[in-house]
Amino acid sequence: QSVLTQPPSVSAAPGQKVTISCSGSISNIGNNYVSWYQQFPGTAPKLLIYDNNKRPSGIPDRFSGSKSGTSATLGITGLQTGDEADYYCGTWDSSLSAGEYVFGTGTKVTVL
Amino acid sequence: QVTLRESGPALVKPTQTLTLTCTVSGFSLGATGMCVSWIRQPPGKALEWLARIDWDDDKYYSSLRTRLAISKDTSRSQVVLTMTHLDPVDTGTYYCARMQRVYDGSHVRYYFDFWGQGTLVTVSS
Repeated sequence: QSVLTQPPSVSAAPGQKVTISCSGSISNIGNNYVSWYQQFPGTAPKLLIYDNNKRPSGIPDRFSGSKSGTSATLGITGLQTGDEADYYCGTWDSSLSAGEYVFGTGTKVTVL
Repeated sequence: QVTLRESGPALVKPTQTLTLTCTVSGFSLGATGMCVSWIRQPPGKALEWLARIDWDDDKYYSSLRTRLAISKDTSRSQVVLTMTHLDPVDTGTYYCARMQRVYDGSHVRYYFDFWGQGTLVTVSS
């Protein structure tokens, strides 16, 4: 049902870097800003990145976002065990009538 | 301090109608640029956006639009979502979230900056 495609899982050792891709189309990522959300089991999602690459106050600069064409990427450097969570991208999609917000399929980050 | 809190029944029977309330504090539902959305998440699955209502009462719906209705009571700081014809596949955690809608003169940007803790709804007979 999700129109934005993410890898189901990524993993790396502590201190390493992971990247999570989010692939969409011209009607969503191609023409709109992307945000990223972090979700720990049993808790609500939390805003991690907005406007493609901006971090809310309190989010460490180990987290970064970028966008190119119809894809976006979340990067996490200096991976920590506390980063183990599910990550979702999201953006507005203008393809249908008034539009709707769409989320990615989600990616589970595992710290080895 | 911005907070959102969902409330509603934990158990609903198939074919019944679900009514969820999101009570907000720390901001006004009538303030320009303020939007609130409902988002759900089936157990073990991805987030799914359902609906949005803006400060000026504009409303937007997902492909489930024929089953959804969103409304707000600014004076009570509440946003209400109703979903008809419930089915077991509608089981999941339902979140309300504040959506920032920022227009910079050429683009409109959207993101969810605050979320409620979620309420688990089980659809079962």
